Amino acid sequence: DIQMTQSPSTLSASVGDSVTITCRASQSISGWLAWYQQKPGKAPKLLIYKASSLKSGVPSRFSGSGSGTDFSLTISSLQPDDFATYFCQQYDTDPWTFGQGTNVEVK
Amino acid sequence: QVHLQESGPGLVKPSQTLSLTCTVSGASINNGAYRWGWIRQHPGVGLEWIGYFYHNGATYYNPSLKSRVSMSVDTANNYFSLTLSSVTAADTAVYFCARGLYCANGVCSDDWGQGALVSVSS
Repeated sequence: DIQMTQSPSTLSASVGDSVTITCRASQSISGWLAWYQQKPGKAPKLLIYKASSLKSGVPSRFSGSGSGTDFSLTISSLQPDDFATYFCQQYDTDPWTFGQGTNVEVK
Repeated sequence: QVHLQESGPGLVKPSQTLSLTCTVSGASINNGAYRWGWIRQHPGVGLEWIGYFYHNGATYYNPSLKSRVSMSVDTANNYFSLTLSSVTAADTAVYFCARGLYCANGVCSDDWGQGALVSVSS
């Protein structure tokens, strides 16, 4: 299985900050990477697919980049609603696998 | 608008069988283009696919659970089910049913149920 490694595990930030989360795949997944946001007690919500394509309705302060094995999710100007846990998922190779998550918390 | 809803017991005794059903509305699980399946999340931990299927019969089970898991489909009533046998406390988790990421004309999406917490305890 392809291992997905996210960093950091926890990120402390303030409203208005720009934050970046990284996700590394154990082998190349081309651009077949998605990013999710999850809040407590809720299902994950898709933010970005194909590494950099923003899902309709997702604020433009979210952006994704990368290809091959190294990817990142950037939230520019963090908003109160953005404090949550973020996961990456590769869908290049079965079985699809998730990163372990990054908790973005209030500093 | 696609809606998925998990249902089943929230408490299962050790060594017994966990059974959950996912009722789907707004889309047909008969559509072979979609991946339908189950994902679980242990408390405070990450996500893992338990298993998924396509209507053409292709099926995947997580190797770590393969000996204990099975999925079934009722296309007439548009739902699918999960059974996990011989459960232990390690199977305590939130179980999500989902339609896996799918794309049409370059636009992608997916759908998740709200999740069902299943605790394994005597």
